[in-house]
Formats: sequence, structure tokens, C-alpha cells
Amino acid sequence: SAVISQKPSRDICQRGTSLTIQCQVDSQVTMMFWYRQQPGQSLTLIATANQGSEATYESGFVIDKFPISRPNLTFSTLTVSNMSPEDSSIYLCSVEIPRNTGELFFGEGSRLTVL
Amino acid sequence: QQQVKQSPQSLIVQKGGISIINCAYENTAFDYFPWYQQFPGKGPALLIAIRPDVSEKKEGRFTISFNKSAKQFSLHIMDSQPGDSATYFCAGRRSNYQLIWGAGTKLIIKP
Repeated sequence: SAVISQKPSRDICQRGTSLTIQCQVDSQVTMMFWYRQQPGQSLTLIATANQGSEATYESGFVIDKFPISRPNLTFSTLTVSNMSPEDSSIYLCSVEIPRNTGELFFGEGSRLTVL
Repeated sequence: QQQVKQSPQSLIVQKGGISIINCAYENTAFDYFPWYQQFPGKGPALLIAIRPDVSEKKEGRFTISFNKSAKQFSLHIMDSQPGDSATYFCAGRRSNYQLIWGAGTKLIIKP
């Protein structure tokens, strides 16, 4: 299993600003996943972050809008840049343990509201 | 080919009843089918999962039934309790290990 801590848990931001979400895992993992979940909706994968390499982004998500850092095997950040009200959502960090099992562990999410 | 279709969108069941949530998939290359449970304000948590070479898996009150030929699988919650009230997501795993998620079912168990 894994314990995942996300910060902030929630925030209210102004249009045009940027916010960085932090994700800390209690064990070393190769891949970390960032998801977006709009209220009442399913999960959409934003990108996969591997330590030591560029993140891999899913269709519809670009690095300029959602830059990701992965400085070590237990930590990652997702930045939501130049925010608009459409970015209001829950952002979830996730890891797969053991690797390639399909069993994902999620943080509690960061609820972002953009005014 | 990538979709997982989940139904119903919402479900109300009396306490003690059986809750049934259905999913259908298109991609025959999916090799793993998990169900996740999500409570408000929390991230999803793995509830139970099945592989396509098995027709049924039971863990306590939770059972997955899997029909490979029909490309359908379902979650049954026996003796449903108010504490089971949550949103449930089914998913299918692609060969690159990425999960394709269903739309979710909001389950309410009435006392």
C-alpha cells in the first residue's frame, strides 16, 4: 500500500494566476500519475511522471498549461498555469503499487476553484 | 475501442438490499478490471478487481461477475449498508497498464 499526501487540499484562485500542487508518497515509486476529476465526473489522466525524464501527457493536456516536476522517487508537483474558471476541478495524485498491477493508490485530492 | 460504459449513473437501494452496477467494454485487450470506491472529499480506493480468465470473484459482501463473451462485468453489493453510500467506478486496464475509467455510479443506501 501507499500513503499519499497532497497539498493544498483546496484553494481558491484568481483567473490568470498559477497554482502548484504537491504530492508526497511514503515509498519510492517509478511512476506517478496526475488525474483531473471535475465535480460529479469520472477521472481523466493528465500525465504520467517518471523520475528523471519528461512527463508524458495525454491527449488534450500540454506541458505549458500543466508543467510537472519529478525531482525524486517520492515527490512530484503539478502546476496549473494561467488558470481560468474551466480549470476548477479536483486534481489527484496517484501511484501504482506494486508496479504494473493496476492497483492505484490516490491522494485525497486538491480541490481548486478559479474565480 | 477505449471506452468503458458504466450504468446506472445513480442508484438508490434500501438497506439490506442488493446493489448492482454494470459495466461494458469494447477493447478485448483489457487484462484487468478493477472497481474503485470513492467517498466525498477522498480519492478513489481499490475495492475489488478481476482478471478475464475468471468469471466471478467474491470478497465479503462484494462480488464481481465477469462475462468475457459479452464483454460485460458487474459489481454486486450484498446486504447493502448506509456506509456503502459512495461513488463507484469500474475500469479496464490496457496493455500499457493505463486504466480506462467508467463514468461512475453514485450509490445511495437508504436506512
